[in-house]
Amino acid sequence: GAGVSQSPRYKVAKRGQDVALRCDPISGHVSLFWYQQALGQGPEFLTYFQNEAQLDKSGLPSDRFFAERPEGSVSTLKIQRTQQEDSAVYLCASNQGRTGSLVTQYFGPGTRLTVL
Amino acid sequence: DAKTTQPPSMDCAEGRAANLPCNHSTISGNEYVYWYRQIHSQGPQYIIHGLKNNETNEMASLIITEDRKSSTLILPHATLRDTAVYYCIVRVSTGTASKLTFGTGTRLQVTL
Repeated sequence: GAGVSQSPRYKVAKRGQDVALRCDPISGHVSLFWYQQALGQGPEFLTYFQNEAQLDKSGLPSDRFFAERPEGSVSTLKIQRTQQEDSAVYLCASNQGRTGSLVTQYFGPGTRLTVL
Repeated sequence: DAKTTQPPSMDCAEGRAANLPCNHSTISGNEYVYWYRQIHSQGPQYIIHGLKNNETNEMASLIITEDRKSSTLILPHATLRDTAVYYCIVRVSTGTASKLTFGTGTRLQVTL
């Protein structure tokens, strides 16, 4: 069956450019998470949506990072004025539960962003 | 969420059992132990979770000590496809923002 998909898989941006990364969660999944994974490190939480509501954005590193999920399904992570330190893999995950309690998070393959 | 400690790397011969340890000495009573793995260039994949009883599924077994301060993930017959980074995570079972807090994990290399 269809899993979480992300696009593009690879993105190269020049420093200062804006980028938009897309996540298509599993159909019907209420909760959606974004993580950032630097080279050699584990994923780090960025933000969380329950349906269209962004309930936690405590992990966003700066106000250059913005995420939205306007219709409660597809989500977009936008990074404005990209910097070299933004280079990382950006992972999206979704799960079924409204509370995200014991339900497994299903991850997409990630988008590898390289800022030159 | 409680902090976890894992060895940075381990090797295992194909066909043998892989035993991956995790220390979580500050775990609270309402925190579960989760294991995920990440194969190169893929997103993390859920393996198993437990509270205090040992658990087994088609992928692995999870052994949690009686005091819950440590656990071991067991892959009974490791194959080359099990080569990955394995993450041990502890987190509360409830809450609207059940984010996962990953550490640096254990890089398991399965060899012929």
